[in-house]
Amino acid sequence: SQQGEEDPQALSIQEGENATMNCSYKTSINNLQWYRQNSGRGLVHLILIRSNEREKHSGRLRVTLDTSKKSSSLLITASRAADTASYFCATDYTSGTYKYIFGTGTRLKVLA
Amino acid sequence: GAGVSQTPSNKVTEKGKYVELRCDPISGHTALYWYRQSLGQGPEFLIYFQGTGAADDSGLPNDRFFAVRPEGSVSTLKIQRTERGDSAVYLCASSWDSQYEQYFGPGTRLTVT
Repeated sequence: SQQGEEDPQALSIQEGENATMNCSYKTSINNLQWYRQNSGRGLVHLILIRSNEREKHSGRLRVTLDTSKKSSSLLITASRAADTASYFCATDYTSGTYKYIFGTGTRLKVLA
Repeated sequence: GAGVSQTPSNKVTEKGKYVELRCDPISGHTALYWYRQSLGQGPEFLIYFQGTGAADDSGLPNDRFFAVRPEGSVSTLKIQRTERGDSAVYLCASSWDSQYEQYFGPGTRLTVT
């Protein structure tokens, strides 16, 4: 079963608007990662945030992590048509191995 | 430098046949992961290697699936007696170590007829 779940499942916004997607997970983690996938192939890493961090930025991306609520959010500011993709969170477990479990994804569509 | 490569990019096979899928990770990356992805779903963990050994194979669905990484670099995912339900995109990823970002290959689309 999936460890993480993103919401919303789908999001449609106008170019220039901000997009926020959320990820919830079930067990304690070492780190959480966000990935983007275009056209159903080739995931691209966006940001990794560790369990002792609360916020990270990379360009127009901002990720927050709330370990007490077991949730994370990804904010894309000033969205562009090229941001149209599926976004996934991936979490590991603090169980001694570092397998990563991906969520179900948010399908973002940015309208020009 | 070169990214993660996977071969073949597409594989069509008949039910019951044996297939091998290959992954060439980024040079120097010690961790290697295999996932499979069905349409509209997130990647599903299969197995990951740290060096030559399988650190966690809990995602392999049954004993028809097996993976090796004999020299700590290239990995091969082997599927015996393929079934139509094995049809999916098989993704490989590598990372410098298991607590770092993963770099994904383009995937192998497997179709079992």
